Parts: sequence; C-alpha cells; structure tokens
Amino acid sequence: EAQVTQNPRYLITVTGKKLTVTCSQNMNHEYMSWYRQDPGLGLRQIYYSMNVEVTDKGDVPEGYKVSRKEKRNFPLILESPSPNQTSLYFCASRDTLAVNEQFFGPGTRLTVL
Amino acid sequence: ELKVEQNPLFLSMQEGKNYTIYCNYSTTSDRLYWYRQDPGKSLESLFVLLSNGAVKQEGRLMASLDTKARLSTLHITAAVHDLSATYFCAGNSGGSNYKLTFGKGTLLTVNP
Repeated sequence: EAQVTQNPRYLITVTGKKLTVTCSQNMNHEYMSWYRQDPGLGLRQIYYSMNVEVTDKGDVPEGYKVSRKEKRNFPLILESPSPNQTSLYFCASRDTLAVNEQFFGPGTRLTVL
Repeated sequence: ELKVEQNPLFLSMQEGKNYTIYCNYSTTSDRLYWYRQDPGKSLESLFVLLSNGAVKQEGRLMASLDTKARLSTLHITAAVHDLSATYFCAGNSGGSNYKLTFGKGTLLTVNP
C-alpha cells in the first residue's frame, strides 16, 4: 500500500531535549516536505526536499533541522525543543512530475513542556 | 512573499444548499491547490489548478482559478453531511514549485 508513515504519532517531551520525528514513504517520490499545523494558522511549511541531499527552507524553519540521506526518509530534528514548537506535524511526499497529488502522513502531535 | 486568504473561515450550511469558498492570493502562483481535512485526520489532495480558467470537478465539488483576479473558488453543490470537513487552499510561493503557502482553512459544517 502506498503510504507516508510518521513516528512517533504522539510525543510529550521537555524543553531542550533533542528529538527526531521520522518520515518515510514507499512511493519512490523525489519531493518530501514537513508542515506544522496550529489552530487558527492553518498549515505552514517548515522544510522541503526536492531530492536526496537537496533541501530548502519553507516559511517557518527556525528551530528545526532536516536531512535527506535516502530517498524514502526525511526526518525532522528538533535540537532544542521549546514550548512554541508544540504543534501537529505532517510529513508529505509527491512525485515531482505528477504535481496533482501530494500524499500526507498521519501526523505527529508534539507537546513540549 | 505569497499570502493566501480564505473566506469564510467558518461555514455552516444545510444539506441540499449551494455555497462557495473563496481563496485570494497576493502574488503570482504557478499552481493553486485544494485540500480536505476531516476532523482528527490528515490531509487529502482534492484539486490542483494549473492555469487561468482551469476548472476541475469531482462529485459535488468544483474548483476554478482566475489568475488575473488572483482568485480560486471551491463551489459546493447540493451539500451533504459527508462534505463536513476543513478545506484548505494553497499556492506556490517565491516562484518555486516546491514552496507551498496555505490559507488558514475553511471549516465547513453541513447540517441535516
């Protein structure tokens, strides 16, 4: 089954404790992206990757890092999480040629205390 | 920097009625996307509109794009309860096909 998976789905952590949210897709997509969703703000793009080893900033990259060492994986790293990073995070992927459909993961709900 | 505004943000309508959600954007966007999100769920792609005058339809939903007015619409025909969800529009910003800016979403509730 074609899908985007994220782990963990739920995470409660404390300020300053480094964490990684993993994202994996099995559709051989070149493009992957991370978004955060906050009430009243919609979705905002954090980082995106056009292909392996190629990443760029979205609208809200501060406090986040990403890497794209393999085509299928695009982890989101919070080196020193803060409470304002409490949010619902979505990973997504799509084929760069087939622009019609972007596939989203199930989401990761992160709480930083 | 692209800004995307949706109107209305909240929409309560009765089954069988028609309504339109508006999506205005501030600068040129190569593409305009529409997504649906059910409560507590992830997002699902609905439409991508690639050029001026583009119209896409699926079931009771029809999306259109007017690039000169920088306006996209999502029209709902004869609404049914199953259409209750949050609808987002999004455009490509910064001249990039990869950078995406979303509107804040329209929460649609269809009442029996």
